[in-house]
Amino acid sequence: GAVVSQHPSWVICKSGTSVKIECRSLDFQATTMFWYRQFPKQSLMLMATSNEGSKATYEQGVEKDKFLINHASLTLSTLTVTSAHPEDSSFYICSARTGRGEKLFFGSGTQLSVL
Amino acid sequence: GENVEQHPSTLSVQEGDSAVIKCTYSDSASNYFPWYKQELGKRPQLIIDIRSNVGEKKDQRIAVTLNKTAKHFSLHITETQPEDSAVYFCAASKRGVLTGGGNKLTFGTGTQLKVEL
Repeated sequence: GAVVSQHPSWVICKSGTSVKIECRSLDFQATTMFWYRQFPKQSLMLMATSNEGSKATYEQGVEKDKFLINHASLTLSTLTVTSAHPEDSSFYICSARTGRGEKLFFGSGTQLSVL
Repeated sequence: GENVEQHPSTLSVQEGDSAVIKCTYSDSASNYFPWYKQELGKRPQLIIDIRSNVGEKKDQRIAVTLNKTAKHFSLHITETQPEDSAVYFCAASKRGVLTGGGNKLTFGTGTQLKVEL
């Protein structure tokens, strides 16, 4: 299957700092990438849809000014958690769709811990 | 929007037994139903999927059934092994619907499967 790379795999930061997470499709072009958030023992909650060359589409209740998404190329999307606070601590995971196919392939996730 | 419910939340079986996980969805327009397996701290892995024009699909020990009328689909794992222990998520989407996000998936709440020796 297609490979999606996500970095970093874990990050610890102080409250008030910003953290950038990268999601790359390694062997295919992804016009659409999705960002999810997962709390322990819970399901994946879609935060936003990242569209190459256009603004991201955010799900209801997700603050777009806090979770900045940039999809500048067909192989890279970034999620920046701005002014992180302890309640932002979570597992963030991206996924990408290959072309017009419906299958989604996931990155390895980023465990964010905000102190 | 779509709502996917999944049951049970936890499932414990003996090695060699079968495991069944059930999901229901609310949007009759959904037409693609994948199942993912997620081990602790790792990424979800697609294990099988089914489209709405098919009632059943099988891949070795794993099978999925779909009842469009009742809007429910199930995952069946036969001859379970300890390495099948993980969290399993069902999901639903509308393939080919070019809404703002394309084919975004709505996930079920997950089932923690434990296969005991």
